[in-house]
Amino acid sequence: QKEVEQNSGPLSVPEGAIASLNCTYSDRGSQSFFWYRQYSGKSPELIMSIYSNGDKEDGRFTAQLNKASQYVSLLIRDSQPSDSATYLCAVNNPGGNNRLAFGKGNQVVVIP
Amino acid sequence: SQTIHQWPATLVQPVGSPLSLECTVEGTSNPNLYWYRQAAGRGLQLLFYSIGIDQISSEVPQNLSASRPQDRQFILSSKKLLLSDSGFYLCAWSGGGYSYEQYFGPGTRLTVT
Repeated sequence: QKEVEQNSGPLSVPEGAIASLNCTYSDRGSQSFFWYRQYSGKSPELIMSIYSNGDKEDGRFTAQLNKASQYVSLLIRDSQPSDSATYLCAVNNPGGNNRLAFGKGNQVVVIP
Repeated sequence: SQTIHQWPATLVQPVGSPLSLECTVEGTSNPNLYWYRQAAGRGLQLLFYSIGIDQISSEVPQNLSASRPQDRQFILSSKKLLLSDSGFYLCAWSGGGYSYEQYFGPGTRLTVT
């Protein structure tokens, strides 16, 4: 089982709609969860961190964490063309040394 | 504020040539440092991480090596490049301790011909 899994395939959403991304992780000992945004040809940029069960909102982004079900999600409200990017889920590796396990990413395309 | 630099931004090298990529971090001390590779259309692969000077762990056995000669400097090297070494090389830092957030540099795009 992969450490971090993100559902595959690009997600196309119309401008103004909500984009929903999901991520599952395998290690119940993980305590820190992150979402990165990566524009084509650029490096990943940290956009959200979440550590406790529930929702965390930052502007148009909401991260949701459910440790019992071992999933973390990202909602992008009022999607804009500038949100078109690949979103990477990352989870700390309890095995140590501050390593993160990354999912392969989900591409989001916002259609004007 | 913290800043992370990588150079060069792009590099085209022939097979069998050596490689040296450099990463430096400003505005923090004793960071954890990481080298990742992202092949075209693929996920991030952790190559090396370092929790201190001369303390480097390798994640994947290969023809690459890493060194950390100074607290905020991380170097990725190879004596002989392979075609399979092509990719987007990313350096990242984190604050250490229980700080897991990693912040990435701008990356080096390497093409081995």
